Amino acid sequence: KAGVTQTPRYLIKTRGQQVTLSCSPISGHRSVSWYQQTPGQGLQFLFEYFSETQRNKGNFPGRFSGRQFSNSRSEMNVSTLELGDSALYLCASRYLAGSYNEQFFGPGTRLTVL
Amino acid sequence: TQLLEQSPQFLSIQEGENLTVYCNSSSVFSSLQWYRQEPGEGPVLLVTVVTGGEVKKLKRLTFQFGDARKDSSLHITAAQPGDTGLYLCAGYGGSQGNLIFGKGTKLSVKP
Repeated sequence: KAGVTQTPRYLIKTRGQQVTLSCSPISGHRSVSWYQQTPGQGLQFLFEYFSETQRNKGNFPGRFSGRQFSNSRSEMNVSTLELGDSALYLCASRYLAGSYNEQFFGPGTRLTVL
Repeated sequence: TQLLEQSPQFLSIQEGENLTVYCNSSSVFSSLQWYRQEPGEGPVLLVTVVTGGEVKKLKRLTFQFGDARKDSSLHITAAQPGDTGLYLCAGYGGSQGNLIFGKGTKLSVKP
């Protein structure tokens, strides 16, 4: 069974641009969560999608948005990039939403904002 | 706001030494998870502890959940270079029941 895949793996953008990251969950998994990882703040929850609906949202500005498609693939978008958005963006999938279902993480997309 | 504090932040030891990593909170968690993350990869779940006082062993790794379910520890016996990585604890909480992570302990085991 293929794991969670994220594309692209590396991305360099400049301030003010926007970016779209993609996540393909493990086959059969319907929940996809996104996290931002930085050295200073660690791993922080962005949002979770389940069956194409946003289920949970963390404390991030509206510049961060996401969506999920009918095949459970998910994208996240960051508009008007700021230097502080440089981070590793991780996606995780699980079969169902709910705290006792194990999440499986992808390798992440390393975003650098110049 | 529920927070998970991990200590130490960094740990550099020689192969064969023992070590303990701590994860503490002022809040009660229904369960806590431990992950290991290697460079260039996402975190991988090692264990979930659910019951206060629970002890789980995974080869040379021993995980303990505090009686009050506010803290947890990870003990590694006879560390090996392959144990090198970032160890993260996490628990479900927050206003939406999302997974909250500690900032991690970066472990380096030198041969």
